[in-house]
Amino acid sequence: DAKTTQPPSMDCAEGRAANLPCNHSTISGNEYVYWYRQIHSQGPQYIIHGLKNNETNEMASLIITEDRKSSTLILPHATLRDTAVYYCINAGNNRKLIWGLGTSLAVNP
Amino acid sequence: KAGVTQTPRYLIKTRGQQVTLSCSPISGHRSVSWYQQTPGQGLQFLFEYFSETQRNKGNFPGRFSGRQFSNSRSEMNVSTLELGDSALYLCASNQAGQWETQYFGPGTRLLVL
Repeated sequence: DAKTTQPPSMDCAEGRAANLPCNHSTISGNEYVYWYRQIHSQGPQYIIHGLKNNETNEMASLIITEDRKSSTLILPHATLRDTAVYYCINAGNNRKLIWGLGTSLAVNP
Repeated sequence: KAGVTQTPRYLIKTRGQQVTLSCSPISGHRSVSWYQQTPGQGLQFLFEYFSETQRNKGNFPGRFSGRQFSNSRSEMNVSTLELGDSALYLCASNQAGQWETQYFGPGTRLLVL
């Protein structure tokens, strides 16, 4: 079973920041937090991952709380093309990504 | 570079038949993973292959099998199809040492009647 909890759906206005929360209260010390997204009719796409420090790349920022029990994915300026299902995953060295049902983000014009 | 390709994109089979799905990874990627995606269960890990060897396996029955060839292309096979095998089957590849960054193909949508 997935070890993360995400809201099933969220809305965001185009051009605004989208903040997607994820709870992972049982995360182990060697497990990373990964974020992927899946646009309709496509395969999932890697976004970002981190262990305990905040991370930023060209797609998004990842904020991990100090106790590592939750994290937030931030899309700084959401566009219509960011409408997708976003998955938060914890995984360690076992090389298995255990997926939950994710958050369906709708970016509205 | 070309992305991960999967063939066929759509497939209709009947119960009891078997099916073989194909995946070509990104050039240079030697690791290939397979996932099953259904509306109720989400994405579930099937298995991972690296250098023609199964390196990891999910919790699926033995009807689900796979293999990898020397050119890193991979196939998965499902025998004695059941209605519940109807799903989107996704293949992902990654560079050696970077398994956390997986590149997915568009998937093969299998319908079992």
